[in-house]
Amino acid sequence: EAGVAQSPRYKIIEKRQSVAFWCNPISGHATLYWYQQILGQGPKLLIQFQNNGVVDDSQLPKDRFSAERLKGVDSTLKIQPAKLEDSAVYLCASSLVGGSAEAFFGQGTRLTVV
Amino acid sequence: GQNIDQPTEMTATEGAIVQINCTYQTSGFNGLFWYQQHAGEAPTFLSYNVLDGLEEKGRFSSFLSRSKGYSYLLLKELQMKDSASYLCAVRSNYQLIWGAGTKLIIKP
Repeated sequence: EAGVAQSPRYKIIEKRQSVAFWCNPISGHATLYWYQQILGQGPKLLIQFQNNGVVDDSQLPKDRFSAERLKGVDSTLKIQPAKLEDSAVYLCASSLVGGSAEAFFGQGTRLTVV
Repeated sequence: GQNIDQPTEMTATEGAIVQINCTYQTSGFNGLFWYQQHAGEAPTFLSYNVLDGLEEKGRFSSFLSRSKGYSYLLLKELQMKDSASYLCAVRSNYQLIWGAGTKLIIKP
């Protein structure tokens, strides 16, 4: 079974530039999560999709972050414009729907804003 | 509010046993997960508890007490490769709420 695919693995940009991350979840997984993880901290949920609908985006800084999941499969997360404090690892995860459904994570994108 | 607490860091000796605690306060409860995360890597699933009691899986066991809002992860026969962060996460209704993780350092 193929895992969650993310690209790119690493990205370095200057502040005020824009950046986009891509995620392809495990086939059949209706739920897709985007997390931000700062070094030494747990994952912070940015947005959760179920199919192509948004379930939770309460912690997404909507003035600069946006995400979409067209056709309920692949997803992109965009930051525009980036700030220094956006430097973090951005993790995509997917799961089946249901209480016991574990989340499977991609390798993440390490973003450095300089 | 919703909150999950774990110790920030723990140190243990190779071959020994260590218990990592997690306490939670959430508006709903549909299960508790433990994940392992090695430095620079993504979290990987270790265990899931939804009923009270102990779930054993090889060298790792996880315990849950719903009435106390408490769980622990027990690691036996510690190996150097167990050095990692251990994350506790609670499914509360449709949300998955994460603790900050416990960094486990294994010494020879």
